Amino acid sequence: DAKTTQPTSMDCAEGRAANLPCNHSTISGNEYVYWYRQIHSQGPQYIIHGLKNNETNEMASLIITEDRKSSTLILPHATLRDTAVYYCIVRAPGGGANNLFFGTGTRLTVIP
Amino acid sequence: DVKVTQSSRYLVKRTGEKVFLECVQDMDHENMFWYRQDPGLGLRLIYFSYDVKMKEKGDIPEGYSVSREKKERFSLILESASTNQTSMYLCASSPGTGPFYEQYFGPGTRLTVT
Repeated sequence: DAKTTQPTSMDCAEGRAANLPCNHSTISGNEYVYWYRQIHSQGPQYIIHGLKNNETNEMASLIITEDRKSSTLILPHATLRDTAVYYCIVRAPGGGANNLFFGTGTRLTVIP
Repeated sequence: DVKVTQSSRYLVKRTGEKVFLECVQDMDHENMFWYRQDPGLGLRLIYFSYDVKMKEKGDIPEGYSVSREKKERFSLILESASTNQTSMYLCASSPGTGPFYEQYFGPGTRLTVT
């Protein structure tokens, strides 16, 4: 599985867009990009995933560069409840080990 | 909504004790997972199971075993607890091995071994 690199921490003002980057330069053609987050004292929560096209759901947007070597998770209007650790994960479908490797993620702090 | 429950939120055990952590999911998911989470190390996979009575080692299986006798229940066992097993333990389940798999996590069990 491709390795991902994320900044350790970021701040964002409440109400502004939070843009969380992720580098995955060794991604292969069949690997998806997944984003999860973990709010303090809770289990991780799925946010969004994508393969090559940009994706949007009720929580966030995912922008994947054309060469797929990096992506950005966008929270359009960050709230205090979005303060969490955000994990970018790259994983191919199927295979014997159906699991997601969580690195150390980006700690996002939304500031009032 | 999918619900994944874990038997305890907080647990304190002594070194050498046998510890059982239980996880139950209510969505008929095939796959279940046990992770531990430690500061600076992120989540690390201990074991996973893709069917009843089936199990696979994850990245850090040493010192742990698992049991899956029923589809909805996945137990993590520490045969002889040690202080380096003090950690947050997270259980998760997912519906299959297709191109998209979303893992649903329980609230976690914070285990302290003294």
